[in-house]
Amino acid sequence: GESVGLHLPTLSVQEGDNSIINCAYSNSASDYFIWYKQESGKGPQFIIDIRSNMDKRQGQRVTVLLNKTVKHLSLQIAATQPGDSAVYFCAEVTSGTYKYIFGTGTRLKVLA
Amino acid sequence: DAGITQSPRHKVTETGTPVTLRCHQTENHRYMYWYRQDPGHGLRLIHYSYGVKDTDKGEVSDGYSVSRSKTEDFLLTLESATSSQTSVYFCAISEPGQGEDNEQFFGPGTRLTVL
Repeated sequence: GESVGLHLPTLSVQEGDNSIINCAYSNSASDYFIWYKQESGKGPQFIIDIRSNMDKRQGQRVTVLLNKTVKHLSLQIAATQPGDSAVYFCAEVTSGTYKYIFGTGTRLKVLA
Repeated sequence: DAGITQSPRHKVTETGTPVTLRCHQTENHRYMYWYRQDPGHGLRLIHYSYGVKDTDKGEVSDGYSVSRSKTEDFLLTLESATSSQTSVYFCAISEPGQGEDNEQFFGPGTRLTVL
């Protein structure tokens, strides 16, 4: 597999605590917002998405919040585990275009 | 894991030489994408395809061309490689209407170095 570059913003969280990863997006016309997880040496993996007409969506141990007023997206991970250590990317897309625009990513480090 | 393979996985080439990267899928997904990943830039879309012989440009398409002659293969060609094209290249596939609409499945990546 291939790895992500260095010099990413890093969030360090104690195992068992909740994590909040933030993302600012650029296009007011985007219809969907998506979170991906990229482990070292692998390609990104889909976590959860949210439509622009929603402000919250929950998955298994994850919650995504969308604030369209300030163009802000967040990913909350409950009870963070060592396996959550990875780089997390947000992405935005406009329906029908399938042109995904990715953020630069945040590295999550889970401390034992 | 979605059946996506990329070849080669690593390549070192010289400036000015042509390079072709291959993405192969066994999922029969309609959409295929090529991204490059560089430090400080995240993933940037180069080109994508929405069907056989149907392709469109992404945000960083200059210097790249693509072809899709059959559903399972999406080729990315650097006609004359430059050092600025040194990067990690990811292929992705998706099929809107199956599972999560916006779920893309990514391949393992190809590390390309242009000297």
